[in-house]
Order: sequence, then C-alpha cells, then structure tokens
Amino acid sequence: QVQLQESGPGLVRPSQTLSLTCTVSGGSISIGSSSWSWIRQPAGKGLEWVGRVYTSGSTNYNPSLKSRLTISLDTSKNQFSLKLSSVTATDTAVYYCASSLYCTNTGCQDFWGQGTLVTVSS
Amino acid sequence: EIVLTQSPATLSLSPGERATLSCRASQSVSNYLVWYQQKPGQAPRLLIYDASSRAIGIPARFSGSGSGTDFTLTISSLEPEDFAVYYCQQRSHWPPSSTFGQGTKVEIK
Repeated sequence: QVQLQESGPGLVRPSQTLSLTCTVSGGSISIGSSSWSWIRQPAGKGLEWVGRVYTSGSTNYNPSLKSRLTISLDTSKNQFSLKLSSVTATDTAVYYCASSLYCTNTGCQDFWGQGTLVTVSS
Repeated sequence: EIVLTQSPATLSLSPGERATLSCRASQSVSNYLVWYQQKPGQAPRLLIYDASSRAIGIPARFSGSGSGTDFTLTISSLEPEDFAVYYCQQRSHWPPSSTFGQGTKVEIK
C-alpha cells in the first residue's frame, strides 16, 4: 500500500519561503502514478489545487501561485517537494500531497498524505 | 482557468434519502472529472474518477454521471457515514492546470 507523508516547518515568517517535502513509501515515485500533486486547504474553506510534478520532471502550477512556486521530484529519495516564496498570511493552510490515479485490473484509486498545517505569522 | 461551480452549497437530507449534487464547468473538461468526499480532520477520499467510474472500495450507492460541462454525483440512499463535504475536481489536459469546486456540504436534516 502506497503511503505519503508531508514534512516541513509548521511556522513560516511572512516574506520567507515555505518548504515542504512529501515522502512516498510502499512504491516507487517513478512508476504507478504519472504525477504527484500538492493541494492546500485554509481552515474552514475548500480545497485549492497548488500544482503537480510529473515523473518526467515537468510541472503544472496554479496560475495564481505560479510566480512564487516550485515543485520538484527527487527520485533517489522517493520524495517530491514544494517551495512557495514570499509567503503571506493568506498562504496559511493545511497542505496535502497526493498521487494521481493508481490503476490496476481491479480499478483505480489515489493516495493522499494526512496533511500538514503551515501557519504564516511573525 | 476552468471554474467549477457546485450546487447546492448545502444539502439537508435524512438518512435513507437520495442526494443529488451538481458540478458545472466553465468550459468542457470532457470526462476528466473526479469527485471526493471529505470529513472533518481527514484528507479527501476519492469516490469517482473519469466522471462515472467508482474508485476501488467505494460502495455502489455512489454514482457519477455527465460529460463536457455538467456533472452529477448521486448517493442513492444516504448512510450516516455519508454526511460530509463533497468536492468535484477537473483534470482536463488543457489548460494544463486543475481546479476544485467550492464544495457541497451534505448535512443531516
């Protein structure tokens, strides 16, 4: 069973860079899922798609975050990461990492981390 | 950017009733639409992918339909554990970004 676990600082100062890592276990990050995504959710609000990295290394970003965002893949560590620069209080949210669809002959599913709360505050 | 509009915002129903949730896209997403269920303090759980295919382990009371711009998630008979927030997400290939709807809360009447 594939498992994802987010890690990184829970508190980031305004104007600094938010850095998170997602560690994938139970499977290779290079196969099974074609892409790996970050999604965030401010307290009491809906889900916001942040961006994704394909196993090829190419990326797609939320247009509203694109100028501040970098998502990358480290296949040697079975990890992918998010860096969001120049953060403000509006970047405070629970950040989730997730796989794309894993499909077998019995159907498809995806996998999510448990989420990590990042607070932007001085 | 493709905008997804979910309706209603809140659905108040009793266990055993049928729930019908709508998701409308601002432009065609073909069938690249998924539905998630989220309960408080939990990560979202995939219910439906490709607009109408149930994910592994999802009960048959959940069904999805639609293509293009109009999609529906139906829960045929609500169980107590189905009261939650439901999100649709589009995964169209162009533009190459994804978006979520704002969610529909299914609450106990």
